Amino acid sequence: DIQMTQSPSSLSASVGDRVTITCRASQSISSYLNWYQQKPGKAPKLLIYAASSLQSGVPSRFSGSGSGTDFTLTISSLQPEDFATYYCQQSYSTPPNFGQGTKLEIK
Amino acid sequence: QVQLVQSGAEVKKPGSSVKVSCKASGGTFSSYAISWVRQAPGQGLEWMGRIIPILGIANYAQKFQGRVTITADKSTSTAYMELSSLRSEDTAVYYCARVVSDYGAFDIWGQGTMVTVSS
Repeated sequence: DIQMTQSPSSLSASVGDRVTITCRASQSISSYLNWYQQKPGKAPKLLIYAASSLQSGVPSRFSGSGSGTDFTLTISSLQPEDFATYYCQQSYSTPPNFGQGTKLEIK
Repeated sequence: QVQLVQSGAEVKKPGSSVKVSCKASGGTFSSYAISWVRQAPGQGLEWMGRIIPILGIANYAQKFQGRVTITADKSTSTAYMELSSLRSEDTAVYYCARVVSDYGAFDIWGQGTMVTVSS
């Protein structure tokens, strides 16, 4: 199985900050990397698929990059509604494992 | 726009089984895979398995092999996840999600079903 490791596990930031979350795969997954946002009590929401493609309806302040084993999710200017937990997921092979999550909190 | 609507919360005894449904409305059901993901309280996301309704083929995470069964009824656009031999550690929110064919991303999710296992 491919293991996904996110860093940091938690992060404090302010509205307007630029934030980067990192995800590392235990082996190469090409660009089969997806990012999700989850708010308390809600289902996850797809933000980015195929490492860098923005899902329809997702604000352009979200962007993704990387290939192989190292990936990043960047939020260019944090908005109040962005405080949530973020998960990466590999869809290169079965099982399509998730990272452990990064909780983004208000500073 | 496709929506996935799941069945309601369940409370089960240890050793029993639970069957959660996931009904698709507003679009095509059979041509996409449906995955099941669970989330224990305060924990991360854990993939359990998936089914391709048009083929009726399911595969499962090793951890749940022998305890989980995922099925689909094309006539009602509904997928089901049944988990047996329940234990307290199975207390979680269970989600179904549609899998985008090209990239394997989960683009549409159900609202989640809370399953509580308690004696």
